[in-house]
Amino acid sequence: DAKTTQPPSMDCAEGRAANLPCNHSTISGNEYVYWYRQIHSQGPQYIIHGLKNNETNEMASLIITEDRKSSTLILPHATLRDTAVYYCIVRSYNAGNNRKLIWGLGTSLAVNP
Amino acid sequence: EPEVTQTPSHQVTQMGQEVILRCVPISNHLYFYWYRQILGQKVEFLVSFYNNEISEKSEIFDDQFSVERPDGSNFTLKIRSTKLEDSAMYFCASSDPQGRLGTEAFFGQGTRLTVV
Repeated sequence: DAKTTQPPSMDCAEGRAANLPCNHSTISGNEYVYWYRQIHSQGPQYIIHGLKNNETNEMASLIITEDRKSSTLILPHATLRDTAVYYCIVRSYNAGNNRKLIWGLGTSLAVNP
Repeated sequence: EPEVTQTPSHQVTQMGQEVILRCVPISNHLYFYWYRQILGQKVEFLVSFYNNEISEKSEIFDDQFSVERPDGSNFTLKIRSTKLEDSAMYFCASSDPQGRLGTEAFFGQGTRLTVV
């Protein structure tokens, strides 16, 4: 089973920041937080990942709480093309041969005009 | 930007027939994966492949399934005798570029398999 909990759905106005929360209270010290999204049954798209420091790339920012039990994915200026299901996944970074991703149901984000 | 490509995009097959789904992973990646997603359900891990052998597989990946890297570029998933419940989107992914860090997986656009 997935080790994360996410709200099933969220709405966001176009141009505003979308803040997607994720709880991972049982995360262990060697596990990273990965975020992917899936646009309408297309292949999942990698967004960002982090361990304990906040991370930013061209797509999003990832804020991880100090105790690492939760995180927030931030899309700074959401567009209609950001409408998708967003998945938060925890996984060991250097897991030897165990690199599988365990998927939950994610958060369905609707960006509204 | 390099990407994972999958063919065909849609495959219809009769129950009991064999199907082969094809993938071309990103060229310098070392790990390859197959996942599937039944309509309306979660993405499920099937198998990972490294150094020309299966490194991990799920309970779904039974004797009806096999994977192969027949040459330096292709990665295939074979289902020997398809069942109605094999109908799903099948996603190929790859990760771990040779020579540098990065275990994030990159996915293809999927093959929609319909078993009739």
